[in-house]
Amino acid sequence: KQEVTQIPAALSVPEGENLVLNCSFTDSAIYNLQWFRQDPGKGLTSLLLIQSSQREQTSGRLNASLDKSSGRSTLYIAASQPGDSATYLCAVKTSGSRLTFGEGTQLTVNP
Amino acid sequence: GAVVSQHPSWVICKSGTSVKIECRSLDFQATTMFWYRQFPKQSLMLMATSNEGSKATYEQGVEKDKFLINHASLTLSTLTVTSAHPEDSSFYICRGLAGGRDTQYFGPGTRLTVL
Repeated sequence: KQEVTQIPAALSVPEGENLVLNCSFTDSAIYNLQWFRQDPGKGLTSLLLIQSSQREQTSGRLNASLDKSSGRSTLYIAASQPGDSATYLCAVKTSGSRLTFGEGTQLTVNP
Repeated sequence: GAVVSQHPSWVICKSGTSVKIECRSLDFQATTMFWYRQFPKQSLMLMATSNEGSKATYEQGVEKDKFLINHASLTLSTLTVTSAHPEDSSFYICRGLAGGRDTQYFGPGTRLTVL
């Protein structure tokens, strides 16, 4: 059974700091890995999707890497802003288009 | 782009009543719909998977007689929480897959509070 773990569970940083969120998964047989953002009481916003054959994806200040063999992914956020405050979820896609989610990292960026 | 809507966005009901949550795909055909629930400060947990016109497949530990899922058309799936209890209070989110299964869209979620 696939299990996804995210570390840390919560993170508080001053504005402008670069930061890294971690995601690990137990079964390397994945199709892709996706990072989402969730604001309180809201749905999910897709940030980056990395196919299993890819090593990284970039979008603006965000960079996600994937090391499938070791079961790890990182989300790097450069020059963090208060508007980045949210919960960040990673999810891996396995057979049958199932998505298994981690429990998220709650990020607070302080002005 | 494609949008998935959920209705209602939030609902408060009394214990013992039933609540229906609708998930509509607005400009694509959702051949498969996934239903998730999310308890406070926890992740999304898959409840069931439904394919249009077929019975839903439920995850272990999810009562199929309590959480009724209907996916009668390619644009509408419903989740009915029957005889709701306070422990059913949660955030329910649907996720629709279009044709090739590489295209997915999440609904905005429904906050259910059972008193």
